[in-house]
Amino acid sequence: EPEVTQTPSHQVTQMGQEVILRCVPISNHLYFYWYRQILGQKVEFLVSFYNNEISEKSEIFDDQFSVERPDGSNFTLKIRSTKLEDSAMYFCASSEGRAAFFGQGTRLTVV
Amino acid sequence: QKEVEQNSGPLSVPEGAIASLNCTYSDRGSQSFFWYRQYSGKSPELIMFIYSNGDKEDGRFTAQLNKASQYVSLLIRDSQPSDSATYLCAVNFGNQGGSEKLVFGKGTKLTVNP
Repeated sequence: EPEVTQTPSHQVTQMGQEVILRCVPISNHLYFYWYRQILGQKVEFLVSFYNNEISEKSEIFDDQFSVERPDGSNFTLKIRSTKLEDSAMYFCASSEGRAAFFGQGTRLTVV
Repeated sequence: QKEVEQNSGPLSVPEGAIASLNCTYSDRGSQSFFWYRQYSGKSPELIMFIYSNGDKEDGRFTAQLNKASQYVSLLIRDSQPSDSATYLCAVNFGNQGGSEKLVFGKGTKLTVNP
């Protein structure tokens, strides 16, 4: 069964460093998303991406965040200067237009 | 403020019973509604989605939508211990009717007792 894959599964970084989280969406999907979940809290929308541009973003998705589809298969989330409060599970998801299917997540720990 | 509300539970049912999970949402214009299951430490797993008023059945699961009341529910028939998880209601607050901007509720933790 096709699935969304994310790497790495766990990333530890120092405050102020840049991180790139990587995702391979399901191959025939055209819509891509990033969500995050701080431990014990709800899943929060960050950004959606379609046709090589951002289609929706939340207030969380400020200038320190960016997304890119560098080639035909990968979708990345970059956090430019990490803060302690960026520690969370980051989920990539993809959709062919209806329901979104989530990857297994990357746990980001900022120390 | 676009919000999705769920009873956090925990909800405990015996094996074989019907579990009923409820969700309300704030945006009357929302068009698409989703139920996900999340096991502890894992990612959300899609159970089903519903777009139209009424019921939609898929195996042991039935989603019910009432747009006038801004209410969506999930019924799990013949509950099994493996159904024990947190159930997340998600509502699309984007404007294209898909999943472009899902807002999640906090989730209802379900425990099915053998």
